[in-house]
Formats: sequence, structure tokens, C-alpha cells
Amino acid sequence: AQRVTQPEKLLSVFKGAPVELKCNYSYSGSPELFWYVQYSRQRLQLLLRHISRESIKGFTADLNKGETSFHLKKPFAQEEDSAMYYCALRTADDKIIFGKGTRLHILP
Amino acid sequence: ETGVTQSPTHLIKTRGQQVTLRCSSQSGHNTVSWYQQALGQGPQFIFQYYREEENGRGNFPPRFSGLQFPNYSSELNVNALELDDSALYLCASSLGGSKAYGYTFGSGTRLTVV
Repeated sequence: AQRVTQPEKLLSVFKGAPVELKCNYSYSGSPELFWYVQYSRQRLQLLLRHISRESIKGFTADLNKGETSFHLKKPFAQEEDSAMYYCALRTADDKIIFGKGTRLHILP
Repeated sequence: ETGVTQSPTHLIKTRGQQVTLRCSSQSGHNTVSWYQQALGQGPQFIFQYYREEENGRGNFPPRFSGLQFPNYSSELNVNALELDDSALYLCASSLGGSKAYGYTFGSGTRLTVV
């Protein structure tokens, strides 16, 4: 079965502390993974994709095929990071499967 | 360069009615996909259109149908509306055939079925 799991509905982190948003996937083929973010009252937008190996707004994510994970990390949280984060998988036939999302709340 | 625009932003319909939602894709994008996002859930894939043909479908019944036009804009039609169809409907566009690109999302249409 094709599935994306984000185990935490809500994650509260103090400003300046490290952040890790967990994402696990189930997919038989070679996955393409993304993180999308939705800030308050804004539309869903692409944060980063695993094939680019990029760092956006200080966030990075490494695809671990052995653990079927694509956790999102940032060493030092900032208040503007508060948002809803969705992990997503693109299948070989171009469907995108989203997780249920994790709300990240940065505490002052 | 314009982004993805959806209309209307909000809509209230009665159970059993039909609804059409519209989406204009980002300039240069030839692929449009539609998602249903229920409250507290992640977006669920409905279907995708590439160059006017459906090229992928999620687990939605046939009363969910769509169209893509030559200018790559798209419509989502839902017949025989049910209360559970109440959700935010998102449209996203991308440049098909290039695995390097993600999707650009619209703001969505919030549909309420009463």
C-alpha cells in the first residue's frame, strides 16, 4: 500500500531549539519525496524536495530508504517556522500522496 | 508569471445538487491535479490531467469528474453531492514530465454541502 505517515499531529518546540518533523512512507517503487508547508492564511507551498538536496529556510530532509523515512530537520527553530507541515510522496504515475500533516508551534 | 487561481473561493450547495469548481494553472504548466482536503486531514488526490487527458485517479467515485482545456485550465465536477463532500478542494499545477518540479497550489474552494 502507498502511504505517508506523519506520527505527530502537533509538535511544540522552543525558539532556538532543534526541530525534527517525522515522516515515514510505504511505497514499493523508487519514491520521490517532498515537504510542503502552509503558513497561517496562506496557500500550501513547496518547501523542499529530496532530489534537490537543498536547504530552504534552514530546513533539510534526507531520504533514508532503509528506514523509509524523510524527516524534516532544522537546527534552530524560529518563531516564523510555526505552520502546518505536510510530507508527500509522488508515485511513478504522478499521483501525490500526502500525510495528515504536523502542526509545528514554536514557543517564545 | 501568475500563480494558480481557483474559483469560487466559497460555495454552499444542497445535498443531491451538482457543482463545478474552476482552476487556472500557473503560466507554462501543462498538468493540473485536484485534491480534497477534509478538516484536519491532509489533501487527498482526486485525479490529474495532462494535456487535456486524465492520467491518474485516486479513490474517488465516478461522480467526481473533470476536464482540462487547451489553455490548461481545469474544472472539477461533482454530481449528486453528499454531506461528506464538504471540504476544501485544492487545485495544483505543474510541468508534467519533469520530475524535478513540485506542484504549485491554489488557495482552494471551500465547499459546504447542507
